[in-house]
Amino acid sequence: AQSVTQLGSHVSVSEGALVLLRCNYSSSVPPYLFWYVQYPNQGLQLLLKYTTGATLVKGINGFEAEFKKSETSFHLTKPSAHMSDAAEYFCAVSERGGATNKLIFGTGTLLAVQP
Amino acid sequence: DAGVIQSPRHEVTEMGQEVTLRCKPISGHDYLFWYRQTMMRGLELLIYFNNNVPIDDSGMPEDRFSAKMPNASFSTLKIQPSEPRDSAVYFCASSWWGGPGVGEQYFGPGTRLTVT
Repeated sequence: AQSVTQLGSHVSVSEGALVLLRCNYSSSVPPYLFWYVQYPNQGLQLLLKYTTGATLVKGINGFEAEFKKSETSFHLTKPSAHMSDAAEYFCAVSERGGATNKLIFGTGTLLAVQP
Repeated sequence: DAGVIQSPRHEVTEMGQEVTLRCKPISGHDYLFWYRQTMMRGLELLIYFNNNVPIDDSGMPEDRFSAKMPNASFSTLKIQPSEPRDSAVYFCASSWWGGPGVGEQYFGPGTRLTVT
């Protein structure tokens, strides 16, 4: 069965610093991987996704993630944090490699950005 | 497209009352998901539908919860009777299998339910 582990429920960075949010997955089939962002009092919004092809995926707001099969990881990065990046971030894997559209979500990482 | 629409956005009710949450998915999407989010339990999948048919309701906490999807453009989540521990934000999401956005779910703004 698929599963997702997000290391660090809370991450704090300074404005302008590198953002690194970690995600490891478990999947018995080639995975589809996603990062979602949730701003306060809003629903989840897709940041980026990996399905096939290039393993470095670029998303909105300057975020990117790299699919590393050997490490079963899909870490999210942004070179320079902005105050507006403060939000909760969820990593997700598609059940059965996309056979259904059900997503298995991680427990989330709350990102704080200090001025 | 207006995106996934949920109503009401906020609901405050007393314990024992019936609560109905509503969702309109994005037109053309064939999957619909209901989630619940709390501080203690995080984001939980309650039930999902494919082509209006419930596929997996194993996340529905108990018989007090029920969900229906009478047509492709409308779904309800009902709690009867409601209890204070049902207080949470309930999200509806929809997606389209087989298209370029396979697996990608679009979330509504949520309904914040408070049961007193």
